[in-house]
Amino acid sequence: DVKVTQSSRYLVKRTGEKVFLECVQDMDHENMFWYRQDPGLGLRLIYFSYDVKMKEKGDIPEGYSVSREKKERFSLILESASTNQTSMYLCASTHSSSGNTIYFGEGSWLTVV
Amino acid sequence: ELKVEQNPLFLSMQEGKNYTIYCNYSTTSDRLYWYRQDPGKSLESLFVLLSNGAVKQEGRLMASLDTKARLSTLHITAAVHDLSATYFCAVDRSNSGGSNYKLTFGKGTLLTVNP
Repeated sequence: DVKVTQSSRYLVKRTGEKVFLECVQDMDHENMFWYRQDPGLGLRLIYFSYDVKMKEKGDIPEGYSVSREKKERFSLILESASTNQTSMYLCASTHSSSGNTIYFGEGSWLTVV
Repeated sequence: ELKVEQNPLFLSMQEGKNYTIYCNYSTTSDRLYWYRQDPGKSLESLFVLLSNGAVKQEGRLMASLDTKARLSTLHITAAVHDLSATYFCAVDRSNSGGSNYKLTFGKGTLLTVNP
């Protein structure tokens, strides 16, 4: 079974803190993504990566950065957390082959107070 | 900019009944995904539709794709309580024959199946 693991399921952070959300996949997928999900807004793409050390901005990258030092790991970084970044964050990955399923992790619930 | 509209957003139905969820999108794409999400959980992949006319079925759920009409449907047959969840369609933004795997999601349909 494909596994996309988000190690931090529930976090509470203070405004201004630096926050790291980690995502690891075990299926040698080239492509990895970070989305956030908010009620009424659905899922929105923050950043994505098609290869190690490669990253591209999605639709809402402001306030976020990412790191992909190893193929299996894609980290989302909130440099200075703000209350409007309270959300559920979902990591996804897929193989570069037409028709492949895109798999999602369990999600990280982040509350910024 | 690709826009994806799902309707209805809320659906309450009785067990045993049939219903259809619609997913319309605004620009050319030939890849569409359906996901299920249970409360507090992640997204579970249901179907990947890759071409015009694609139809896939799993249990009581059947999904189809009409790329010319830019429409996908998720049909529920003889609903049971276990199907209660939120269902999302997501459209691949690539329109060049390949895929960039960047998805634009609909807002989701909250399905409640009542006994």
